[in-house]
Amino acid sequence: QVQLVQSGAEVKKPGASVKVSCKASGYTFTGYYMHWVRQAPGQGLEWMGWINPNSGGTNYAQKFQGWVTMTRDTSISTAYMELSRLRSDDTAVYYCARSLSVVLHHDYWGQGTLVTVSS
Amino acid sequence: EIVLTQSPGTLSLSPGERATLSCRASQSVSSSYLAWYQQKPGQAPRLLIYGASSRATGIPDRFSGSGSGTDFTLTISRLEPEDFAVYYCQQYGSSQLTFGGGTKVEIK
Repeated sequence: QVQLVQSGAEVKKPGASVKVSCKASGYTFTGYYMHWVRQAPGQGLEWMGWINPNSGGTNYAQKFQGWVTMTRDTSISTAYMELSRLRSDDTAVYYCARSLSVVLHHDYWGQGTLVTVSS
Repeated sequence: EIVLTQSPGTLSLSPGERATLSCRASQSVSSSYLAWYQQKPGQAPRLLIYGASSRATGIPDRFSGSGSGTDFTLTISRLEPEDFAVYYCQQYGSSQLTFGGGTKVEIK
């Protein structure tokens, strides 16, 4: 069965970076785009961007361009999202979610990773 | 970017009642590339509807989606206790995907 398993919760200081992983199983990793979506406490969903695991190509939301980096390691079917220069308002649950193409919905989601930014 | 506005913000209904949720886009959503997700506290979102009106695998037929262009609707024909949650619409037809702000369906 399809599973997206994310890394555990993180606590970071302002100005630091965080790297969250998302390990895929149950399907061909390179056949689906991987998106990242975040949700601040009590708030709605915010799309951050996607990576094409086959080519490594990326497309970031304009808000995150310059401070998010999405990468992948096809040998272990894992996608990564790194956010730099963290601020307190980056405290959120970060989700990975797959889609078959860039113009398709997210049919499977990871369980989420809580990133807390606090001094 | 396409801004999605969901209304109402909160819907207070009783089990068995009909729920009608609205999602309005700031510009036309190409080819009805619109999805609806359900989210319960502490859980990841779950796909309900894609392509504006197609139910995802395993979704009960009390959930239905409709609309095109800039106006979309999610209807829950008869609310079950497990349907009380937050619902988000999402457009994926442009290079910058966006979500609506959500509608909370709560027990009256």
